[in-house]
Amino acid sequence: AQTVTQSQPEMSVQEAETVTLSCTYDTSESDYYLFWYKQPPSRQMILVIRQEAYKQQNATENRFSVNFQKAAKSFSLKISDSQLGDAAMYFCAYRSAGFGNEKLTFGTGTRLTIIP
Amino acid sequence: DAGITQSPRHKVTETGTPVTLRCHQTENHRYMYWYRQDPGHGLRLIHYSYGVKDTDKGEVSDGYSVSRSKTEDFLLTLESATSSQTSVYFCAISGRTGANQPQHFGDGTRLSIL
Repeated sequence: AQTVTQSQPEMSVQEAETVTLSCTYDTSESDYYLFWYKQPPSRQMILVIRQEAYKQQNATENRFSVNFQKAAKSFSLKISDSQLGDAAMYFCAYRSAGFGNEKLTFGTGTRLTIIP
Repeated sequence: DAGITQSPRHKVTETGTPVTLRCHQTENHRYMYWYRQDPGHGLRLIHYSYGVKDTDKGEVSDGYSVSRSKTEDFLLTLESATSSQTSVYFCAISGRTGANQPQHFGDGTRLSIL
């Protein structure tokens, strides 16, 4: 079974600075997807960014980018120019790529605080 | 936003009572999921469905049952609620398999069992 580990329960960053949230995972599969979800105090689960394991290029969405290291099984999220609205819980998630394997396995989350 | 509605949004009930949570989608997606969220555990899969009347267990399925009689509705039932089932419950949906289709989540149901 796959596991996802987020070793930083809490992080904080000054507004406008850059912060990196770490995520590692364990799998024997070669093809899979990785995701970062954001959960603000409203409790919504919002997709931030996704990465296909077969792509070497790191995904980027505006101020959000990932550092995907497949051999190291690492998938960190970098938030540039942090804004107050980025304050939230962030969850890393893994999904197998095979047919019918739609289930997500989540990490335990990192609570990000933005300091004005 | 994906059309997912969870009901109720909040519920307080007593130990031993049956509870049913409903997830309704307007996206005609094939896959539907129920997760529970607890501090220190992230989200954990309870049950999922890959079509009408096709369901399977997740990692924390004990004490829960599900039903899907229509594409748009996925029900989660606690036959006899226990205090350990106090949690926030999320429904999610996703589209066709094998593709890079992320799951979209409902707004969650906060369930308190006293």
